[in-house]
Amino acid sequence: SQQGEEDPQALSIQEGENATMNCSYKTSINNLQWYRQNSGRGLVHLILIRSNEREKHSGRLRVTLDTSKKSSSLLITASRAADTASYFCATGVGETSGSRLTFGEGTQLTVNP
Amino acid sequence: GAVVSQHPSRVICKSGTSVKIECRSLDFQATTMFWYRQFPKQSLMLMATSNEGSKATYEQGVEKDKFLINHASLTLSTLTVTSAHPEDSSFYICSASKDIYEQYFGPGTRLTVT
Repeated sequence: SQQGEEDPQALSIQEGENATMNCSYKTSINNLQWYRQNSGRGLVHLILIRSNEREKHSGRLRVTLDTSKKSSSLLITASRAADTASYFCATGVGETSGSRLTFGEGTQLTVNP
Repeated sequence: GAVVSQHPSRVICKSGTSVKIECRSLDFQATTMFWYRQFPKQSLMLMATSNEGSKATYEQGVEKDKFLINHASLTLSTLTVTSAHPEDSSFYICSASKDIYEQYFGPGTRLTVT
């Protein structure tokens, strides 16, 4: 079964607004990553946060991690129409390059111009 | 850097035939490659983990005789869907890992079995 559950499943906002997506997981993790997928395309890595980190920023992206609640959030500020895509969280449990990732169900974000 | 390619990007085959999908890391050596399957509007499901020179490790419920994985070198892994059926139609994505945390994903292969 999938480790991560994301909400909302779908989010529709206006350009310029902020978008927040949440991810919950069930087991202990080593790291949590967020990916973006445009329709019918591969995944693009957005940001990685380690289990000993609480918050991380990258450009317009802000990720938080609460290991006590086993949850993470991805905030996209000042959204653009080009941000329209599916966003997935993925948890990693291993220490090596063979670390498996377990993906959440994803959030479909639509940014209306 | 860290580019992963897949070939073909789309393939249509007839039921009962076999299809091979290639995954290549173009500018780095990948110690591990992963194969995922994604059905429409769903998440990625890990099928198997492949290490160069050794047998792939399959996830529970994935038939290893149906989904043959060969990881012949540090830059190439292949997935062969044998005796394909319409229910195997899906989006297959590979990824390659070169360090502890990050995986680099290929663009995916859309398989349609008629």
